[in-house]
Amino acid sequence: NAGVMQNPRHLVRRRGQEARLRCSPMKGHSHVYWYRQLPEEGLKFMVYLQKENIIDESGMPKERFSAEFPKEGPSILRIQQVVRGDSAAYFCASSRQYEQYFGPGTRLTVT
Amino acid sequence: GESVGLHLPTLSVQEGDNSIINCAYSNSASDYFIWYKQESGKGPQFIIDIRSNMDKRQGQRVTVLLNKTVKHLSLQIAATQPGDSAVYFCAENRMKTSYDKVIFGPGTSLSVIP
Repeated sequence: NAGVMQNPRHLVRRRGQEARLRCSPMKGHSHVYWYRQLPEEGLKFMVYLQKENIIDESGMPKERFSAEFPKEGPSILRIQQVVRGDSAAYFCASSRQYEQYFGPGTRLTVT
Repeated sequence: GESVGLHLPTLSVQEGDNSIINCAYSNSASDYFIWYKQESGKGPQFIIDIRSNMDKRQGQRVTVLLNKTVKHLSLQIAATQPGDSAVYFCAENRMKTSYDKVIFGPGTSLSVIP
């Protein structure tokens, strides 16, 4: 079985551009979670989604960040008008119910 | 406030020795605790978990101990190997009605000296 897939693995954006990060959950998993990890730090919860629904976005910045998990296709984390402080590794995890499996992450660099 | 934190940011051990990684938590309402291993350039990988009603759980070469009295969690790795070099995170899991909310600590970097 394929694990959680994320792409791109590395993304470079200039300040003010948009970043789109994709996450394909494991087969049979309908729960998706996004986390952000700054260098030398732990993972910070951002948002939890089920198909077509945002369940918990308490960790998501109020502006510029959005997430979706459409009926068909991967989950998307979208960051508009990126700033240098958005540079981080963004991890997606999926679960069928409780145990979360993590993807390899997307490393975003804002120049 | 709520937090899950680690006592030591780095740990170096000789190959073959046992490793002990410690973690303190502040929220006694957590349902269970998880240890993750994160190798360089990869996502976290589940190692072992322990429910809040237990005080010890053993896996393959790993043991997790939970002391609820002092809100302390530890991960013991027996006969540490070079492949164990990674950052280890403890995390607390607060099971909500339909999903888990995982709160990660800052991590301990384990280096194994050959």
